[in-house]
Amino acid sequence: AQSVTQPDIHITVSEGASLELRCNYSYGATPYLFWYVQSPGQGLQLLLKYFSGDTLVQGIKGFEAEFKRSQSSFNLRKPSVHWSDAAEYFCAVGSSYSSASKIIFGSGTRLSIRP
Amino acid sequence: DVKVTQSSRYLVKRTGEKVFLECVQDMDHENMFWYRQDPGLGLRLIYFSYDVKMKEKGDIPEGYSVSREKKERFSLILESASTNQTSMYLCASKRGRPEAFFGQGTRLTVV
Repeated sequence: AQSVTQPDIHITVSEGASLELRCNYSYGATPYLFWYVQSPGQGLQLLLKYFSGDTLVQGIKGFEAEFKRSQSSFNLRKPSVHWSDAAEYFCAVGSSYSSASKIIFGSGTRLSIRP
Repeated sequence: DVKVTQSSRYLVKRTGEKVFLECVQDMDHENMFWYRQDPGLGLRLIYFSYDVKMKEKGDIPEGYSVSREKKERFSLILESASTNQTSMYLCASKRGRPEAFFGQGTRLTVV
């Protein structure tokens, strides 16, 4: 069965510092992988996605993520965080077989920014 | 841009009431989803629909039903609301492309 694990519930980093949010997935075939961000009281916005090809994908707002098949990981990174990056981040996995398939989410990582 | 609209941002309902949460998308997407979001649990899939009148149970369908009579609209129904259904409910849609687009969410409180 598909599953997504985000081991860090809450992370605090200083403004300007680098960031890495961890994500591990379980899936029987090549997955589609996503990172979404949710600002307080809002819906989810897609940051980036991986389907195939280059394992380092670039997203919006200066984020990137690297797909590592051998580690079943898809970690999100940003070289220098801004106060506006404070939000909740969700990693998700979807099926590569069907456009009708569901998307499974991790439990989320809440990011706080220290001034 | 894709627009997914949930009819209410905030709802307060009484225990035992029948509750309808409505979601409309304007991009002719075949697939629509209802998720429930609770702190520390992330998003859990309640139901999804891959076509008009077609539906499949997600991971936590108990206490919920859904209706999809038109392609653009996907309704979540709580037949008899209970306090443990107090939560944030998120609707999403997608078509062809694997990523889903989300509405703003409905925060439901059952008292």
